[in-house]
This record gives sequence, structure tokens and C-alpha cells, in this order.
Amino acid sequence: NAGVTQTPKFRVLKTGQSMTLLCAQDMNHEYMYWYRQDPGMGLRLIHYSVGEGTTAKGEVPDGYNVSRLKKQNFLLGLESAAPSQTSVYFCASSYDGDYGYTFGSGTRLTVV
Amino acid sequence: KQEVTQIPAALSVPEGENLVLNCSFTDSAIYNLQWFRQDPGKGLTSLLLIQSSQREQTSGRLNASLDKSSGRSTLYIAASQPGDSATYLCAVEAYDYKLSFGAGTTVTVRA
Repeated sequence: NAGVTQTPKFRVLKTGQSMTLLCAQDMNHEYMYWYRQDPGMGLRLIHYSVGEGTTAKGEVPDGYNVSRLKKQNFLLGLESAAPSQTSVYFCASSYDGDYGYTFGSGTRLTVV
Repeated sequence: KQEVTQIPAALSVPEGENLVLNCSFTDSAIYNLQWFRQDPGKGLTSLLLIQSSQREQTSGRLNASLDKSSGRSTLYIAASQPGDSATYLCAVEAYDYKLSFGAGTTVTVRA
């Protein structure tokens, strides 16, 4: 089925560990996004990409890095995890503003 | 910076009642506005997208209006059902391709 796939779905990290979250879309979308969702704060944009090989900072980029080496994939990296990065992470993609966004099912990350 | 506010934060209604969810935003220079539904522990499902040049969009029992000049959108859900229980999120897209979200309205429809 066409859509946005996020892996893994759940992960527990120890403080200081690193990990990479993978987002893959098969809709040939140009734009891809990483959001985090925290209780009572809504979704906040971490980083985004407007095309293959491009990345840009969003609202809360500190502590995260991203890469878009292939059009269909957008990777989110945590180099040294902190408890403040405990959250649910959502990836999204869009073709352009006329068609809206498609979201993945989320990755629930706990940093202890 | 765009600020998106959703009121109320939570809403509980008996089955069959119409729902009215409000969204306001501070910067009227938007490309579009979207309403999403989120079930507990799940991702976001797109409900309606309203382009900045449009005044409303309808899909089945859902109707969303947009008043860009006043920075407001309203989502109406007619004849609510227990299956409508979820969190509803409003998001505005700026011309730089970024979405700004409200914190959501959590709806409970009592059978």
C-alpha cells in the first residue's frame, strides 16, 4: 500500500546512545518532514527537506541531524540521546501544498 | 512565528449532537489549512484541506470553513457518533512548505 512507513515503531535508549529513525515514502513526494509530538504541545517541526539532497532546520532542531540521500527516504539521527528527547516522532511527506500531507504511524522513543 | 490555537481543548457530547471545533491562527499569510484526526497511539489522518482561496470544504458529515482575514477556521461534524471520538488537529501551511499545528481538541462522543 502506498504511504509513509516509519521504522522502528518503538525504541528505548539509554542516555548518550545514538540511533537513526527511518522514514520511507513511495508516493514520489518532493517534501518530507520530521515532527515530534509531546503531550499538550502539539506537533513541532524538527527538520524538513524540499527535495533529494536538501535539508533544513525546523522549530526544534537541536540534538537532531537528518539526511535525504534518496528521494524516497528521510533519516532522523540522534547522536547522543537525552531524556528530553523522549517523544513520539512522526514523519510526513507531501507532493505540494495542493494535495496535503501524508503521515506515518509514528515512532515512540523513550530515553532513560 | 505562526501560532495556532484550538479551543476547546476537550469536548464531551452525547451521540447525535453536532460538533463545533475552533481553530485560530495569528498570521493570515497561509497557503492552506488542514484538519487531521488522531486516534490514541496512532498517526494522523487527513480529513479536509482548504486552500487559502477557498471558504469551505465538505466531506460527508464534515464541513470546514476558513476565514483567512480573521485567522479562523471551524470544523463542523454533523450528527456525531461514538466512532468520532478522537483528537482533532488543525494545521496551517505557510508558503515555506512548513506546517504549524494547534495542540488539538479531544472529542468524546457518549453513546
